[in-house]
Amino acid sequence: GQSLEQPSEVTAVEGAIVQINCTYQTSGFYGLSWYQQHDGGAPTFLSYNALDGLEETGRFSSFLSRSDSYGYLLLQELQMKDSASYFCAVYSGNTPLVFGKGTRLSVIA
Amino acid sequence: EAGVAQSPRYKIIEKRQSVAFWCNPISGHATLYWYQQILGQGPKLLIQFQNNGVVDDSQLPKDRFSAERLKGVDSTLKIQPAKLEDSAVYLCASSGTGDTQYFGPGTRLTVL
Repeated sequence: GQSLEQPSEVTAVEGAIVQINCTYQTSGFYGLSWYQQHDGGAPTFLSYNALDGLEETGRFSSFLSRSDSYGYLLLQELQMKDSASYFCAVYSGNTPLVFGKGTRLSVIA
Repeated sequence: EAGVAQSPRYKIIEKRQSVAFWCNPISGHATLYWYQQILGQGPKLLIQFQNNGVVDDSQLPKDRFSAERLKGVDSTLKIQPAKLEDSAVYLCASSGTGDTQYFGPGTRLTVL
């Protein structure tokens, strides 16, 4: 089967940097995605990593290490509007996308 | 470009009743997904369509849930009869040539 582990909650100060980690166990892995979901909203796509290394998109970056079955989402210059749940999700083999349970990020002043 | 549309946004029913949800994907997207998201958890795939064919329905409780995608565009998800544990948000998503999935606003179902 597949499993993903990510912290349930993270709190960070406005303007700071926060890292949300994700470890996974799966066979036939070929990619890791991150989604953001505000309360009452739909998940929205943030990033996708298929190769090792860091992908940067504005204030958000995502990292993948295939050998360690590990990735993280890095959010810089945190803003209040970044308060949301963040899900990592793995693509593997012919199985459907599997989401983690999500990390609830609270940004405080 | 219009996003994924879903209706209704909210639905309250009593257990053992039936309910149906509707989804209209992004125009041109061949792949359509239905997810169930229970409060505090990540979305769980119920069924995936490629055009009007089923790709994966391994996690669909087929004794009570059914879904169809006629003509490869709109889709409906039905629950009959509903149970208390079906209370959740039902999300529809679609994808085009890539793997990125675009989600609709969801239908929040409450079963009393």
